[in-house]
Amino acid sequence: GQQVMQIPQYQHVQEGEDFTTYCNSSTTLSNIQWYKQRPGGHPVFLIQLVKSGEVKKQKRLTFQFGEAKKNSSLHITATQTTDVGTYFCAGPGSGGSNYKLTFGKGTLLTVNP
Amino acid sequence: NAGVTQTPKFRVLKTGQSMTLLCAQDMNHEYMYWYRQDPGMGLRLIHYSVGEGTTAKGEVPDGYNVSRLKKQNFLLGLESAAPSQTSVYFCASSSRGFEGYEQYFGPGTRLTVT
Repeated sequence: GQQVMQIPQYQHVQEGEDFTTYCNSSTTLSNIQWYKQRPGGHPVFLIQLVKSGEVKKQKRLTFQFGEAKKNSSLHITATQTTDVGTYFCAGPGSGGSNYKLTFGKGTLLTVNP
Repeated sequence: NAGVTQTPKFRVLKTGQSMTLLCAQDMNHEYMYWYRQDPGMGLRLIHYSVGEGTTAKGEVPDGYNVSRLKKQNFLLGLESAAPSQTSVYFCASSSRGFEGYEQYFGPGTRLTVT
């Protein structure tokens, strides 16, 4: 079945440093979604990328979708303590089951103030 | 507009006991999902539903049953709890958006089985 892999599993940074997490799928994706889960909280949708090579920005967050639509990345510039949490990527199923998502295991970001 | 709600928030069960987790959404979403989250394992899909009266198995369905008698509610049942079912359970819902199916999650239920 479809597999979605994320690296790194953990990342600890000093406040102000940049952070990047990478997501790779075993299959070509129609789109990719990113979620953030604060400690003790629930996953919250951040963004969806659909087009090959697409780049979207949300303030200090930059999301990219690879040209082959099999990989994606999330880059945070100048991290802040409010960025702490686990970031998940998720890819939809294929063959008409695109309402189901396969989640990566996530990257836990901690920020030292 | 409460979004997705889950009850209870916490529960402790003894091995062999049964319980039902309730998920409710007020967004008129067609699709609903139950996930479990364990340390280092990410979110794993237990069961899902594509509409009222329908259910289907996800990645890790064993030991769980579900029902969706009303569109807004999705129930997850554990008939005979086992310590391996100690986890955080999240319910989510979605509808077809312009480009895909963004999922909205409930606050979670933390279940401990002793």
